[in-house]
Amino acid sequence: GEDVEQSLFLSVREGDSSVINCTYTDSSSTYLYWYKQEPGAGLQLLTYIFSNMDMKQDQRLTVLLNKKDKHLSLRIADTQTGDSAIYFCAESFKGTYKYIFGTGTRLKVLA
Amino acid sequence: GAGVSQSPSNKVTEKGKDVELRCDPISGHTALYWYRQSLGQGLEFLIYFQGNSAPDKSGLPSDRFSAERTGGSVSTLTIQRTQQEDSAVYLCASSSHDRPRWEAFFGQGTRLTVV
Repeated sequence: GEDVEQSLFLSVREGDSSVINCTYTDSSSTYLYWYKQEPGAGLQLLTYIFSNMDMKQDQRLTVLLNKKDKHLSLRIADTQTGDSAIYFCAESFKGTYKYIFGTGTRLKVLA
Repeated sequence: GAGVSQSPSNKVTEKGKDVELRCDPISGHTALYWYRQSLGQGLEFLIYFQGNSAPDKSGLPSDRFSAERTGGSVSTLTIQRTQQEDSAVYLCASSSHDRPRWEAFFGQGTRLTVV
């Protein structure tokens, strides 16, 4: 079955690195994503990784995918107050194109 | 349009009334999704339309919920006999799977409050 889990809260100090973790059960996904939701707003795609990759770096963002452990993580370097938001991981599946989202992690950045 | 548009942005209704939520996807997107976001909860999948295929309704929580997509474009989510537990933000998204990463574009959501 499809199940994607995340820890609910993370608090970091400005300038530190943040690591948001996600575990999933269905290993047949094609793409895995990180979406960001700012207060009162919809979700926006932050970054993504193809399922046959282990790592992707995009400026301050690093995505790590451990397929053996079904674990996805997002590292934000030099976290800023503007990074405060809810972060959702998600999977999509070839053939169905259905997206399954995680429970979301609320990141709070302390000045 | 330029993005996914949802209306209304806020809806307050009395328990037992029916409500309709509207979603205008990005023009040309063949896939349309409805999700529900409750306070402190993640995104709960409700229903998914892809082209002319039968919709995937596996996430609808009860038979009070239904959705349709007319002409492969606009979608309406209908909740009959609303209950207080239906209070949530209802998010619509659309996607085009000829894009390399199948990105889903989300609307701003409709905040439904049942009183």
